Amino acid sequence: AQKVTQAQTEISVVEKEDVTLDCVYETRDTTYYLFWYKQPPSGELVFLIRRNSFDEQNEISGRYSWNFQKSTSSFNFTITASQVVDSAVYFCALTNSGGYQKVTFGIGTKLQVIP
Amino acid sequence: ETGVTQSPTHLIKTRGQQVTLRCSSQSGHNTVSWYQQALGQGPQFIFQYYREEENGRGNFPPRFSGLQFPNYSSELNVNALELDDSALYLCASSFPSGRRGETQYFGPGTRLLVL
Repeated sequence: AQKVTQAQTEISVVEKEDVTLDCVYETRDTTYYLFWYKQPPSGELVFLIRRNSFDEQNEISGRYSWNFQKSTSSFNFTITASQVVDSAVYFCALTNSGGYQKVTFGIGTKLQVIP
Repeated sequence: ETGVTQSPTHLIKTRGQQVTLRCSSQSGHNTVSWYQQALGQGPQFIFQYYREEENGRGNFPPRFSGLQFPNYSSELNVNALELDDSALYLCASSFPSGRRGETQYFGPGTRLLVL
């Protein structure tokens, strides 16, 4: 069984602060993929990043960075110098081990960036 | 924008009715997945279609059914609607099926309200 836990349901930060969104996952697979999606109020899920289980390199994309640690089964997401446009719900997700691709999502973290 | 479109955007039905939601996948994508997202929750996998056949299903009753057409567009049908079916229904497309880890690109969703 797969599980994704996002313990922070809501976070509020003041603009320009850094913020880290936590994600802990459970899977029995040795090969798996992790994702982060952003869901603005409009509802559409926007793909941010994909990481496979064999690649533990951290990644940086502009103000976004991701820290993947297999030893702690965590895939955390940091936004540096947050902006009001970053306000959204962020989902961490994990693929399954079956022949088809089922994505298991966490409950999401609602981020509010206050001007 | 992902190129995945869904219709209608909003829908109101009464309990016991039937509903059909539609999705057009991104160009070149032959796999479509459907998710149900209740308020305040993460998306839950309903099923996936590849080359016009269902090739994976989540924990949803048989009254949730689907179709995929030769152009890879898809429909989600829900019979005997219940109040708990009120949710955002998301469609996602990817290519190709069977390869774990392929990124799924989501449409804007259909908001269904069952009264």
